[in-house]
Amino acid sequence: NAGVTQTPKFRILKIGQSMTLQCTQDMNHNYMYWYRQDPGMGLKLIYYSVGAGITDKGEVPNGYNVSRSTTEDFPLRLELAAPSQTSVYFCASSYRDNSYEQYFGPGTRLTVT
Amino acid sequence: QKEVEQNSGPLSVPEGAIASLNCTYSDRGSQSFFWYRQYSGKSPELIMSIYSNGDKEDGRFTAQLNKASQYVSLLIRDSQPSDSATYLCAVTTDQAGTALIFGKGTTLSVSS
Repeated sequence: NAGVTQTPKFRILKIGQSMTLQCTQDMNHNYMYWYRQDPGMGLKLIYYSVGAGITDKGEVPNGYNVSRSTTEDFPLRLELAAPSQTSVYFCASSYRDNSYEQYFGPGTRLTVT
Repeated sequence: QKEVEQNSGPLSVPEGAIASLNCTYSDRGSQSFFWYRQYSGKSPELIMSIYSNGDKEDGRFTAQLNKASQYVSLLIRDSQPSDSATYLCAVTTDQAGTALIFGKGTTLSVSS
């Protein structure tokens, strides 16, 4: 199993550009999550999904959109990128069981200039 | 605002010593508690989960939970230089367990 994979690893965007961060998991996990991590800060939840076709906002959803058409994929869309979106983005997934243990992908480092 | 608090550190210990990392949380309804290890430039890695009061041991790691005091800790015995990393405490915030709140992390430095 590859676990949780993310692409790209690095990206530089100009202000106002858009992009999609890809996330795929091969563990048949129901739940998937997107977090951002700013330097010296904890992870903040952007969006999450409890299954295909179901998504919900986390703590910091503004400026982002998500979709979940399959169990495996959970892309994060940035529209009209702003410097405040410069961050490291992590995708995570977990089983729908009582453990709630989340497993993280390697991350995407995004810079908006 | 639900919060998880950790001392940012750095916590410095010599090789072979016990490292003690602490975490407090504000939501009395939290049911599940986790410790993640994050090396610089890498993603968080789950190292311990704990769900009931008391101690849970896994190798050199022991997690301790006290729900009455809203306190979680992680002990690392026989600390090694490879344990040098940032340790993130995370707790669930809803009954569905669908959301984790993370602390800002404690940086541990183990000197040889």
